[in-house]
Amino acid sequence: NAGVTQTPKFRVLKTGQSMTLLCAQDMNHEYMYWYRQDPGMGLRLIHYSVGEGTTAKGEVPDGYNVSRLKKQNFLLGLESAAPSQTSVYFCASSGLTGLGEKLFFGSGTQLSVL
Amino acid sequence: AQSVTQLDSHVSVSEGTPVLLRCNYSSSYSPSLFWYVQHPNKGLQLLLKYTSAATLVKGINGFEAEFKKSETSFHLTKPSAHMSDAAEYFCYMNTGFQKLVFGTGTRLLVSP
Repeated sequence: NAGVTQTPKFRVLKTGQSMTLLCAQDMNHEYMYWYRQDPGMGLRLIHYSVGEGTTAKGEVPDGYNVSRLKKQNFLLGLESAAPSQTSVYFCASSGLTGLGEKLFFGSGTQLSVL
Repeated sequence: AQSVTQLDSHVSVSEGTPVLLRCNYSSSYSPSLFWYVQHPNKGLQLLLKYTSAATLVKGINGFEAEFKKSETSFHLTKPSAHMSDAAEYFCYMNTGFQKLVFGTGTRLLVSP
């Protein structure tokens, strides 16, 4: 069982380039999340989704867009990458109830913006 | 405001000695609290969770945590550290209103 799969695992971008990170989960989870992890700052929520076709802003949404066209997929887009977006990005998912539900994490995407 | 504070950015212990990783929370609601562990270049793995049942929660790999409402704390402990416990640990709070808050992490170093 795959769980949560993120692609790609590594990416290097030049300032101003665009890219999309893909998150796929095979657990039929309603909730999906995108986090970024930076040294000394823990994980910060970028955007999340409570179901197919829905998205909402998290703590640090600026510079990112997301889409949840299919329940199993949650895409994170950077339209014009900036060096401040150099980070490790984690996707997570959880079941219907949210509260008390554990998060299942992907293995992360290391993004460097030069 | 909802917040989670991990009081130590680094904790160093010797193998075989007890581990204490501290987490304090602030919430207007009754939260669910979790501890996650992250080994180098890996995703986060759930250690244990508290969801208003027993205040002493046992997790995997010998870890446990105690929810203390009066102290707004959820500290993670283990009686005897192993080398394999060296990792980063995150305290996480969910108040159920899409308020999902991670602490900034505590790196546990275990020396032989």
